[in-house]
Amino acid sequence: EIVMTQSPATLSVSPGDRATLSCRASQSVSRNFAWYQQKPGQAPRLLIYGASTRATGIPARFSGSGSGTEFTLTITNLQSEDFAIYYCQQYNNWPLTFGPGTKVDL
Amino acid sequence: QVQLVESGGGVVEPGGSLRLSCAASGFTFTDFVMHWVRQAPGKGLEWVAVIWHDGSNKYYGDSLKGRFTIVRDTSKNTLYLEMNTVRADDTAVYYCARGGQSYLEAPGKIEYWGQGTLVAVSS
Repeated sequence: EIVMTQSPATLSVSPGDRATLSCRASQSVSRNFAWYQQKPGQAPRLLIYGASTRATGIPARFSGSGSGTEFTLTITNLQSEDFAIYYCQQYNNWPLTFGPGTKVDL
Repeated sequence: QVQLVESGGGVVEPGGSLRLSCAASGFTFTDFVMHWVRQAPGKGLEWVAVIWHDGSNKYYGDSLKGRFTIVRDTSKNTLYLEMNTVRADDTAVYYCARGGQSYLEAPGKIEYWGQGTLVAVSS
């Protein structure tokens, strides 16, 4: 299976900051790649799919880039509601696999 | 709007069985791939299984070793996960999720999630 790794494990930021989250796949997944946000007690929410396409209703301050094995999620002008855990996921091969998550906190 | 409502979770003894259900509404059920994803307490997301829009294909996570079966009933717009020979490490919140639209989107793109149902394996 394809192993996804995320860095950093925790990112400490302040409102208004820019946050950069990274994800690496153990082999190429082309652009079949997504980012999810999860807050405590809630289901995950799709942010980005196809490596760089924002899902419906996702603010423009979220952007994704990358292809192959290296991907980045950038959050500009961080808002209080953005403090959460962010997971990456590949959907190029079965089984689908997720990264271990990056916690964005104060 | 898309709604996915899971049910059937609870406490089950090791070695026992359980069937989870997911009632889908707000979209044409037969047009979309469906998934189960789980999350152990305080842990990350683990993909469990997928079923094609017409039930023709099914794939499972490597760790399940044939113990789980994903099924869909199009007459009831309901997705199921049949869990057998459960173990302590199956304890998790189980999410039902909608994948891509058949023939138009990647099946593994997971856009909508239910709120989850908790399964606790304990004696």
